[in-house]
Amino acid sequence: GNSVTQMEGPVTLSEEAFLTINCTYTATGYPSLFWYVQYPGEGLQLLLKATKADDKGSNKGFEATYRKETTSFHLEKGSVQVSDSAVYFCALSDRGNTPLVFGKGTRLSVIA
Amino acid sequence: SQTIHQWPATLVQPVGSPLSLECTVEGTSNPNLYWYRQAAGRGLQLLFYSVGIGQISSEVPQNLSASRPQDRQFILSSKKLLLSDSGFYLCAWIAAPNEKLFFGSGTQLSVL
Repeated sequence: GNSVTQMEGPVTLSEEAFLTINCTYTATGYPSLFWYVQYPGEGLQLLLKATKADDKGSNKGFEATYRKETTSFHLEKGSVQVSDSAVYFCALSDRGNTPLVFGKGTRLSVIA
Repeated sequence: SQTIHQWPATLVQPVGSPLSLECTVEGTSNPNLYWYRQAAGRGLQLLFYSVGIGQISSEVPQNLSASRPQDRQFILSSKKLLLSDSGFYLCAWIAAPNEKLFFGSGTQLSVL
């Protein structure tokens, strides 16, 4: 079945540090890939997505590239801010009516 | 525009009491609806999803149930809560396969 594995947290970084959160997936076919972010006390919201191999999703300075050869969709940001502190979820959709499959989430804390 | 409402925001219930969480979607028709639970250290767990009125798929056996009495209404229930039912419950909807998932603001349930 489909699955998503993302790096365990928590991750603590200083402001302006470089961020990488690893995500790998297992899926049949060609899934769409997503990163969702959950700020404290809130629901999840879409951060970025990519629908085919080599696509790069980007938003708010975050980027992730769909790598079919390594089945990965790592999230990166060049310079994190305190306001980026949140839990980040990697997810995949197999394009059918089946629900999104989420990773376990990675908590990021950015300190000034 | 589409919105999703979920209530209550917080709930404290004794063990053995019943539960009813409600979720409604506005601005769309025939959405796929989902209930997720986020428990500490366990990431996001899909509980139920529905592709239409009266159609419920259960992902995890448990003492919870779900119902969809109307197109844009999704209800999560329990006859007798357990301590292990504590967690953050999220309702979500999607307009079509491969589109992004919209989440409600969540319900923090504490069973004591």
